Amino acid sequence: AQKITQTQPGMFVQEKEAVTLDCTYDTSDPSYGLFWYKQPSSGEMIFLIYQGSYDQQNATEGRYSLNFQKARKSANLVISASQLGDSAMYFCAFTGNQFYFGTGTSLTVIP
Amino acid sequence: KAGVTQTPRYLIKTRGQQVTLSCSPISGHRSVSWYQQTPGQGLQFLFEYFSETQRNKGNFPGRFSGRQFSNSRSEMNVSTLELGDSALYLCASSLGGGLETQYFGPGTRLLVL
Repeated sequence: AQKITQTQPGMFVQEKEAVTLDCTYDTSDPSYGLFWYKQPSSGEMIFLIYQGSYDQQNATEGRYSLNFQKARKSANLVISASQLGDSAMYFCAFTGNQFYFGTGTSLTVIP
Repeated sequence: KAGVTQTPRYLIKTRGQQVTLSCSPISGHRSVSWYQQTPGQGLQFLFEYFSETQRNKGNFPGRFSGRQFSNSRSEMNVSTLELGDSALYLCASSLGGGLETQYFGPGTRLLVL
């Protein structure tokens, strides 16, 4: 069975610093996708970044990058140069035949 | 291109009533998935529809049902509401499902009294 784990319930980071949010997954499928979403207090889930299991390079989208270590089954999100607007819940998601979400990490950016 | 829209945004119901939530996907997207989000259980998958057919289903009782129309718009229905059904209900669309990115709507906040 697929499983996805986020071990950090809450994280704090100083404005303009980088932060890494952890995510590990468990699957025996060779083909899968990994996603990160941001959920502000308004509730809407905002897509940030995607990594396919066959992608050779780590995905990057602006200040977001995904540190994909396939052998370790980890897909950590790195946010560079944190901004106050980055304060939100962050969810890692895995998809095989359906989406599975982690429990989320609450990120607070401190001015 | 317009994003995923959900109506209504907020809803208050009483136990025993039923409710219907609506979701309009991004134009061209044929897959619509529904999720329930609560503080205690997190994000849980309800079901996915593709081309008017339910393709996947989560572990929810039969009180939760859905359908998809020919224009890909989807509705979900919850009958005989319980207090525990109070949640944020999120709809997401993608081109064809599978490994593709899902784009979410703003959600419907349901409060059952």
